[in-house]
Amino acid sequence: AQSVTQLDSQVPVFEEAPVELRCNYSSSVSVYLFWYVQYPNQGLQLLLKYLSGSTLVKGINGFEAEFNKSQTSFHLRKPSVHISDTAEYFCAVTSYSSASKIIFGSGTRLSIRP
Amino acid sequence: EAQVTQNPRYLITVTGKKLTVTCSQNMNHEYMSWYRQDPGLGLRQIYYSMNVEVTDKGDVPEGYKVSRKEKRNFPLILESPSPNQTSLYFCASKFSVGSSTDTQYFGPGTRLTVL
Repeated sequence: AQSVTQLDSQVPVFEEAPVELRCNYSSSVSVYLFWYVQYPNQGLQLLLKYLSGSTLVKGINGFEAEFNKSQTSFHLRKPSVHISDTAEYFCAVTSYSSASKIIFGSGTRLSIRP
Repeated sequence: EAQVTQNPRYLITVTGKKLTVTCSQNMNHEYMSWYRQDPGLGLRQIYYSMNVEVTDKGDVPEGYKVSRKEKRNFPLILESPSPNQTSLYFCASKFSVGSSTDTQYFGPGTRLTVL
């Protein structure tokens, strides 16, 4: 079975400051990892995904994430946030053997202060 | 425009009154799924469908039914809603059920309140 833990339910940061949203997973098999963003009153959209290869993955809107197999982590980072990044962010995991199932974390609410 | 649509977007109902939330996608996707989102719990899968007439339970199927008579539509049915089904519901689809790497596309959500 797989699981995802997002360590912070809320992260407040000042505009133009860097941010890191933490995600840890557990799985007995090789995984694929995703970050989704949910803007207020909208559905989820894909930010980035790790499938294989380079452990540093770049996504939309200047976000990137690093896959760390030894620490079973997939933290999301942005060097300088904007007000428009205010949203909830979800980490998710799936695997080759469970193509029909994706497990989501509980979400991290990112609030940007001017 | 490629999209997943849900109707209604907001619904307030009473305990026991049957309701259906519709979901439709225009991308010819094989796979469709329903999730509910509750504070602190993230998204939990209710049911999914791998193709027409093929459906299966997710993690929290109790109190819900689904059907997949056409490829584009995947309605969620609550035969006798209860207050613990008050939640935000999302429909999603992806091209191929056999691929873990396909991106899932999400609808805008349906906020359901059961009194």
